[in-house]
Amino acid sequence: GAGVSQSPSNKVTEKGKDVELRCDPISGHTALYWYRQSLGQGLEFLIYFQGNSAPDKSGLPSDRFSAERTGGSVSTLTIQRTQQEDSAVYLCASSFGSGGLYGYTFGSGTRLTVV
Amino acid sequence: DAKTTQPPSMDCAEGRAANLPCNHSTISGNEYVYWYRQIHSQGPQYIIHGLKNNETNEMASLIITEDRKSSTLILPHATLRDTAVYYCIVRVYDNNDMRFGAGTRLTVKP
Repeated sequence: GAGVSQSPSNKVTEKGKDVELRCDPISGHTALYWYRQSLGQGLEFLIYFQGNSAPDKSGLPSDRFSAERTGGSVSTLTIQRTQQEDSAVYLCASSFGSGGLYGYTFGSGTRLTVV
Repeated sequence: DAKTTQPPSMDCAEGRAANLPCNHSTISGNEYVYWYRQIHSQGPQYIIHGLKNNETNEMASLIITEDRKSSTLILPHATLRDTAVYYCIVRVYDNNDMRFGAGTRLTVKP
């Protein structure tokens, strides 16, 4: 597609349930990133995938968070046993080449609300 | 912590140049200056980046001081659609943890 696609755009879930967020990066972009943005805050780095290399998981806030990237394309961010503090906009970005030297392209995000 | 300092908000008249400052006094020699903007309810959008030379593209110009401790993003003819939060970020090109601070909320007024 022309841009980074994320689904769903909005998700409301009950505390304690698991959720899966999906990201379709731009075709040909080898790097994929997940960020989250809490209300009125800046972006918080979560995880980074580059090609077939082991992902950089250093930003994941707890072991309830995990992410996969299948076939070097689509990525899924999974949050287990959701908590209210997980409520945020989860943003996916992709870039051409390692490190995003030429800039990241972000999707519009998934707004997660845990009630 | 973000390594940049930006004013929290600025106003600009439509059609005039918007000059957004950023201080990055602790920037390292291998760190680039990046600018992104985020329009309400959208993901951040890449604008421009530079290392030490001034840069220009179809969206904006980036002026970096000779000592690289500050920079200015220039939108030459601001429109209402340029109303957004503008983020200045410094990072080594292969650093995955690109840290966004609070940014500058630019409001373009008619």
